[in-house]
Amino acid sequence: DIQMTQSPSSLPASVGDRITITCRASQSIRSHLNWYQQKPGKAPKLLIYAASSLQSGVPSRFSGSGSGTDFTFTISSLQPEDFATYYCQQSYSTPRTFGQGTKVEIK
Amino acid sequence: QVQLHESGPGLVKPSQTLSLTCSVSGGSINSGGYYWSWLRQPAGKGLEWIGRIYPSGNTDYNPSLASRVSISVETSKSQFSLRLSSVTAADTAVYFCARDVDFDGEYFDVWGRGTLVTVSS
Repeated sequence: DIQMTQSPSSLPASVGDRITITCRASQSIRSHLNWYQQKPGKAPKLLIYAASSLQSGVPSRFSGSGSGTDFTFTISSLQPEDFATYYCQQSYSTPRTFGQGTKVEIK
Repeated sequence: QVQLHESGPGLVKPSQTLSLTCSVSGGSINSGGYYWSWLRQPAGKGLEWIGRIYPSGNTDYNPSLASRVSISVETSKSQFSLRLSSVTAADTAVYFCARDVDFDGEYFDVWGRGTLVTVSS
């Protein structure tokens, strides 16, 4: 299985901050990397697919980059509705695997 | 707009079989280019992919669960189902069904709300 490691696990931040989350794969996954947002009691929501493609309807303050084993997810200006947990997920091979999550919380 | 909805018992006894169904509405389960997946999330923990099925019936399972998992599809009812046998408390989780896009990147783009299944006597 491909192991996905996210950092940090917790990220205190304020509205307006630029935040960055990193995700590292245990082997090259080319650009087969997706990012999801999950709020308490809700299903995950797809934000970014194929490392850097913005899902339809997702605000442009969300972005992703990277390829191979190292990936970055950025929110350019944190909004109140962005406090949530974010997960990376590889789609290079099965079994699909996720990072352990990064909780973006109010500083 | 495709929507997914999970249904099934919320309480299963240890050693028994967990059975859930996902109903697909607003679109065809037979649409080319989509798998249909099951995932789960124990309380306070991360996401685990269980497996997926193509409308033709082809399946992929997570090796960690493969000996206990079966996913089936009933295209006439626009439903796909999960069976997980010999459950223990470790199988207590919120179970999600999701559409698994198999082109242009491969990702889970539509999710059900999730259903909590508790394994307890």
